[in-house]
Amino acid sequence: ETGVTQSPTHLIKTRGQQVTLRCSSQSGHNTVSWYQQALGQGPQFIFQYYREEENGRGNFPPRFSGLQFPNYSSELNVNALELDDSALYLCASSLFQAGAYEQYFGPGTRLTVT
Amino acid sequence: AQSVTQLDSHVSVSEGTPVLLRCNYSSSYSPSLFWYVQHPNKGLQLLLKYTSAATLVKGINGFEAEFKKSETSFHLTKPSAHMSDAAEYFCVVSDKKGGGNKLTFGTGTQLKVEL
Repeated sequence: ETGVTQSPTHLIKTRGQQVTLRCSSQSGHNTVSWYQQALGQGPQFIFQYYREEENGRGNFPPRFSGLQFPNYSSELNVNALELDDSALYLCASSLFQAGAYEQYFGPGTRLTVT
Repeated sequence: AQSVTQLDSHVSVSEGTPVLLRCNYSSSYSPSLFWYVQHPNKGLQLLLKYTSAATLVKGINGFEAEFKKSETSFHLTKPSAHMSDAAEYFCVVSDKKGGGNKLTFGTGTQLKVEL
């Protein structure tokens, strides 16, 4: 069974640029969620994708957008980067079904905006 | 909206002594609750989950948690701490409204284990 993978591991961007982060879900999972973890804080929910459609969104502006592909992998896109976007971005996959909704996390992408 | 409150930002114990990390939750209906652990520069690992079955939940690495509805608590315990337990621990509630789910994290408890 393959776990959740994310790329790249680290990224440095300049304010105003755009960035794309990628995530491959765990084998057998059909739902992907993205979280932002600022330094010293708990992760904050950005959005979730199921069957290639957004299935819930947290309190993040529209410049945060995403995609889910038929193979359930996903991308997180952030436009017009701001200094406060510097954080660890975590992807989590899960299986959409009745019952517990535990999510399995990837190692994250560390984004630094200068 | 559901939420969790982790009552201690830092906990320090000696190796071999019990661990108690405290968490209170707020939920308008029966919640699913989780504990995740995050080691430095690593992703999040699921320790255990509560999903309205047994109120005493056993997880990995000797951790367990007890769901107490009357106290709205879900404290994490371990009988004997090991050096490798030093990490950040997050109490998490799942919001299943709308068919999907989002996880709402507490602010975290940093566990330090001393010799």
